[in-house]
Order: sequence, then structure tokens, then C-alpha cells
Amino acid sequence: EPEVTQTPSHQVTQMGQEVILRCVPISNHLYFYWYRQILGQKVEFLVSFYNNEISEKSEIFDDQFSVERPDGSNFTLKIRSTKLEDSAMYFCASSKQRGLETQYFGPGTRLLVL
Amino acid sequence: QKEVEQNSGPLSVPEGAIASLNCTYSDRVSQSFFWYRQYSGKSPELIMSIYSNGDKEDGRFTAQLNKASQYVSLLIRDSQPSDSATYLCAAHPEDSGGYQKVTFGTGTKLQVIP
Repeated sequence: EPEVTQTPSHQVTQMGQEVILRCVPISNHLYFYWYRQILGQKVEFLVSFYNNEISEKSEIFDDQFSVERPDGSNFTLKIRSTKLEDSAMYFCASSKQRGLETQYFGPGTRLLVL
Repeated sequence: QKEVEQNSGPLSVPEGAIASLNCTYSDRVSQSFFWYRQYSGKSPELIMSIYSNGDKEDGRFTAQLNKASQYVSLLIRDSQPSDSATYLCAAHPEDSGGYQKVTFGTGTKLQVIP
């Protein structure tokens, strides 16, 4: 069964460093997403991406964040200068259609900022 | 601030019983609602979506929506120990301009006792 994969599974970084989280969406999916979940808190939508551009983003997704689909298979989330409060589980997801009914989540990357 | 509220639980039910999970939302114009299951340390998995007032059934799961009361519920019939997880309610706000920017609740932890 096709699945969304994410690397790395865990990442530890120092405050102020740049991190890139990587995702490989399901191959025939067209819509891509990033969410985050701070430990013990709710899942938060960050951004959705379609046709090589951001289609929606939340208030959390400020200038420190960027997304890219560099090679037609990977989908990346970059955090330019990490803060302690960026520590969270980051989930990538993809869907075949515009709505969420065909959406599948990846296993997540746990980011710890020290 | 648009909010989705859930009782954090845990909700404990015996195996074979009906589990009833509830969710309220503050944004009166929300149109789409989703229920996700999240096992501990894992990513969310979409199990139901509902858009219209009334009931929607899928196997052992029934979603109920009452827009006048701003209330969504999920019933799980014949609960199994494998249903033990956190159930996330999510609402899609009408004014997001798109179809992906959902707001999640904090989730209700369900424990099914064998």
C-alpha cells in the first residue's frame, strides 16, 4: 500500500540553526501539507501546496518557514532559524484531491530545538 | 478565534459497548467536519467526514452533525480494544478560502476495556 514517508524520524538542533524536514508524498497525489503537533497539544495546520505553489497557510507559517518541491518527488519544510517553541512533531500529508477525504499522513518528524 | 472543543477524557468503555465522542465548535459558518484517530506517538488517520446535518454511517462508525447546536459527535459501535486511541475532531472554517485549512480539537482519549 502506498504511503507518505518522512525523514528524519528525529532531529535535534540548536536554537538559531536551519532545519529541513523531508517528505515523499504518495506518487499520484497532487496536494501536499505540513502540520505540527507540540507535545500534548492539538494538531495545527501549517501550509498546503499545490501546483508548485502555496495554496493556503496558517498564521503560524511566517517568514521563518518555507516549503519546496525541489524534484517532483520530495516535499520539504525549511525552518530558517529555529526557536525553542518550534520543538514539535511535524507531519507531512498528501491527498489526491482538493478536499481532505483522500488525505494520508506521514509518520512524522520529531524536532527538538535546544 | 475559531475553536474546536473536546473533552480530553479519558473516556473508558467496556469492549462491545458504544463509545460516544463529542465535539463543539465556535465558528457558526464552519461547513466541513472530520474525525481522525491518532494512536499514541503516531500520525492522525482520517476515519470520517461529514458536511450535512444528520447522521453518516461507515461500518461501526457513525458521525452526527447538528449545525444549529454547533455540535459534532462520533459513535463507535461494538468498541474493540484496538479502538483505544485519541480521537481528533476538526472543522473547516468557511472563510478560509480553500479546502485544507482545518482547525483541530485537542482530542478525546478513548480506552476500551477488554
